[in-house]
Amino acid sequence: EDQVTQSPEALRLQEGESSSLNCSYTVSGLRGLFWYRQDPGKGPEFLFTLYSAGEEKEKERLKATLTKKESFLHITAPKPEDSATYLCAVQAWSNSGYALNFGKGTSLLVTP
Amino acid sequence: DVKVTQSSRYLVKRTGEKVFLECVQDMDHENMFWYRQDPGLGLRLIYFSYDVKMKEKGDIPEGYSVSREKKERFSLILESASTNQTSMYLCASSFGVDEQYFGPGTRLTVT
Repeated sequence: EDQVTQSPEALRLQEGESSSLNCSYTVSGLRGLFWYRQDPGKGPEFLFTLYSAGEEKEKERLKATLTKKESFLHITAPKPEDSATYLCAVQAWSNSGYALNFGKGTSLLVTP
Repeated sequence: DVKVTQSSRYLVKRTGEKVFLECVQDMDHENMFWYRQDPGLGLRLIYFSYDVKMKEKGDIPEGYSVSREKKERFSLILESASTNQTSMYLCASSFGVDEQYFGPGTRLTVT
């Protein structure tokens, strides 16, 4: 059974204090790993897709990396507006309809 | 930009009522999904559809049904609402195996 575990559950950072969020997964035949950002009371917003170990993608202060067992979302010099819940999801080749299996998320708070 | 809209942001229904949640996407995506999101449980897939009139059960389909009569529209139906169906409901769509785009969500309260 596919499993996605995100850590930590919650993270509090000072503005400018860089850190990383972790997403570890077990899946038979990974097709893609997805990162989303979710603000309170809103739907998830797509950030990145990673397909193979060693791949990296960047967007502003965010950088996502992928190994065979986990993915990291690195946040460099975060700002208060980066506060949100970050969700990781895996998609397996075997999943009918290419459904996503989500982790429970990391709630990030960046204080001024 | 992809746009996924949901019929209501907030909904309050009574136990036993039949509830319809509607989702519309404007990007001609063939795949559409319904999730519910609960604290501590994350997003869980209820149903998805990969074509008009086609549907497949997700992880938690009990108590729900779906309808997809047109490509852009996917409806979630609670045949007889119960208090344990109080949740945030999220609709998403995708093109093929690509990333899913989510709507704003409907917060449903069943009393």
